[in-house]
Amino acid sequence: GESVGLHLPTLSVQEGDNSIINCAYSNSASDYFIWYKQESGKGPQFIIDIRSNMDKRQGQRVTVLLNKTVKHLSLQIAATQPGDSAVYFCAENSGTYKYIFGTGTRLKVLA
Amino acid sequence: NAGVTQTPKFQVLKTGQSMTLQCAQDMNHEYMSWYRQDPGMGLRLIHYSVGAGITDQGEVPNGYNVSRSTTEDFPLRLLSAAPSQTSVYFCASTRTGTYEQYFGPGTRLTVT
Repeated sequence: GESVGLHLPTLSVQEGDNSIINCAYSNSASDYFIWYKQESGKGPQFIIDIRSNMDKRQGQRVTVLLNKTVKHLSLQIAATQPGDSAVYFCAENSGTYKYIFGTGTRLKVLA
Repeated sequence: NAGVTQTPKFQVLKTGQSMTLQCAQDMNHEYMSWYRQDPGMGLRLIHYSVGAGITDQGEVPNGYNVSRSTTEDFPLRLLSAAPSQTSVYFCASTRTGTYEQYFGPGTRLTVT
C-alpha cells in the first residue's frame, strides 16, 4: 500500500457528516489553487480548483473557500461517504506552471 | 482517452543501476512534469517540459534526466540509482490553456 501518508494529520468524521479540511499556503502571489484527493496506491485526483479572484467555488458535494488575507484554503465535503476516505492536499500556483503542494490530511470516514 | 499512463508500477534497483520510468499521455497536453512523493512531504517537482523539445529543472533535479521528443512521451531517467531516490514517482500533464494538472498512477521505486 501507499506509504506516503504515514505521518499525516488525520480527520475522522462520521458517515453523513460534513468534513472540513484546511490548508495554509505559502506564497501571497499564488493566484490559482487546486484540491487533490489521493487514495492508497493511486495518483492524485483533481477535485476542484479556485482562482484568487474568487472567495468560494462549489462543485458536486464539495466547496472550496479561499481567504487571501490569511493565506488559507479549506475544502468542505458535504454528507461524507466511505468512498471519501483518502488523503487530501492542496496545491498553489503563481502562474508559472510550477505548483507548491501541501503535505496533506488523511480523512477517515467512520461508519 | 487513457489519460496519463506510467510504467512500471513497481521497480527495485540496486545502487548504481540505471533505468527509465516511462510516462505517456494521449490528451495532447503540452505541459508535462515529474514529481516524487516522500512520506511527510508534499510532491516535489523534479523536471518539467512545456512542449516537445523543451525541458527544464524543477526543485529536485539532481540524479535525474529527462527528454521530450514527442508531445505524448516524457521519460524520466535515473543514471545511477541511489537509496535516496527510493520514492513514489508521479508523472502529470496539464490541460493546454489551463492549470488543471492530471496525474498518472505512479511508480514505486526502491533502491537497495
